[in-house]
Amino acid sequence: ILNVEQSPQSLHVQEGDSTNFTCSFPSSNFYALHWYRWETAKSPEALFVMTLNGDEKKKGRISATLNTKEGYSYLYIKGSQPEDSATYLCAFPSGGSNYKLTFGKGTLLTVNP
Amino acid sequence: DGGITQSPKYLFRKEGQNVTLSCEQNLNHDAMYWYRQDPGQGLRLIYYSQIVNDFQKGDIAEGYSVSREKKESFPLTVTSAQKNPTAFYLCASSGPPNTQYFGPGTRLTVL
Repeated sequence: ILNVEQSPQSLHVQEGDSTNFTCSFPSSNFYALHWYRWETAKSPEALFVMTLNGDEKKKGRISATLNTKEGYSYLYIKGSQPEDSATYLCAFPSGGSNYKLTFGKGTLLTVNP
Repeated sequence: DGGITQSPKYLFRKEGQNVTLSCEQNLNHDAMYWYRQDPGQGLRLIYYSQIVNDFQKGDIAEGYSVSREKKESFPLTVTSAQKNPTAFYLCASSGPPNTQYFGPGTRLTVL
């Protein structure tokens, strides 16, 4: 089983703060890197699928970067809002297939009003 | 509305009983998945199916079984051989480029 590490485990910020967290994954045999957001009492929701080294994707105030050579991805949230409070998960395909995802344990973000 | 439904939301089972969790999707996705979540752990893949009548074991398949007779449906059976079945179970489906869409989950408790 591959090791997908996320840090920090949890994060508390004030409304309006910008924040970022990390996903580390094996740098060999890279295929894709997935980011999901999981709000309490809801289903996980896809944010990004990243495939190219140096790739940067953006969705509103949330953006992500990817470094496949060193095996990490950063997720940034600009001007955090209480509705951004969620667990952010990254996932990495294992076994050479994009179907079999290994998920990290997630970063729990709490944005205080 | 397109989406994934899982039923029931809560399920209680006595030790030694098999139980089947339902997952249906109307997104016309070929691939479907079952995950398990335990406190302090990431989502762990139980089984996945890339196409009808075909499925593969994930990382923690022991004590579980699945079938994929229809594109829309991927039921998961938790058998009595699963030593610690109490958990939250999530079903997902995907089309290209394998962005996964998740259902609302089933919480299984063994009494």
